[in-house]
Amino acid sequence: DTAVSQTPKYLVTQMGNDKSIKCEQNLGHDTMYWYKQDSKKFLKIMFSYNNKELIINETVPNRFSPKSPDKAHLNLHINSLELGDSAVYFCASSRQRGGTGGTGELFFGEGSRLTVL
Amino acid sequence: GEDVEQSLFLSVREGDSSVINCTYTDSSSTYLYWYKQEPGAGLQLLTYIFSNMDMKQDQRLTVLLNKKDKHLSLRIADTQTGDSAIYFCAPRSGARQLTFGSGTQLTVLP
Repeated sequence: DTAVSQTPKYLVTQMGNDKSIKCEQNLGHDTMYWYKQDSKKFLKIMFSYNNKELIINETVPNRFSPKSPDKAHLNLHINSLELGDSAVYFCASSRQRGGTGGTGELFFGEGSRLTVL
Repeated sequence: GEDVEQSLFLSVREGDSSVINCTYTDSSSTYLYWYKQEPGAGLQLLTYIFSNMDMKQDQRLTVLLNKKDKHLSLRIADTQTGDSAIYFCAPRSGARQLTFGSGTQLTVLP
């Protein structure tokens, strides 16, 4: 069974469109994340949710809106796509925010490659 | 916030040792991780070290931590072609999120 699964794996779309990427984890983790990896492989956190509550919101344009319907799911919706949004988006989860009792290891999905034309 | 720096590229011959270096800025980092990313895949935890340790060995992997210089290294002994990947250093402080370095692309030549 895949621990952290994202769909779709590939997404090609036109500028100006709206698209969503879905993520689900079956590890029973409390915390989920979205990371963006650019063409130079630099990995930057975008959002983090703990038990459906937004706890990290980095300086991401408000065209990006995360939604966590329950603690096993964290979806990413992107409005009015721009060329610069082309990247690989990774979902990840961890047992807890990183407090006591755990190492805070992140478990990553396989990534969703978004190409904006 | 934390800044993490790594060299972008490293090439070694199969069978040699690889050493990937990382420097970070936050002296309160408690856990320091090494993640591996194979082509077309997500990141996977390779190993980690607690900040109260200087060294950790795990089969072919040796992690060295110099807290004074805020320097972390990952040594891979007897490097194999399957070790070709991007290696990310990621320190963490308390309940804060991980900060990833730029990643080092390791290429193992036959």
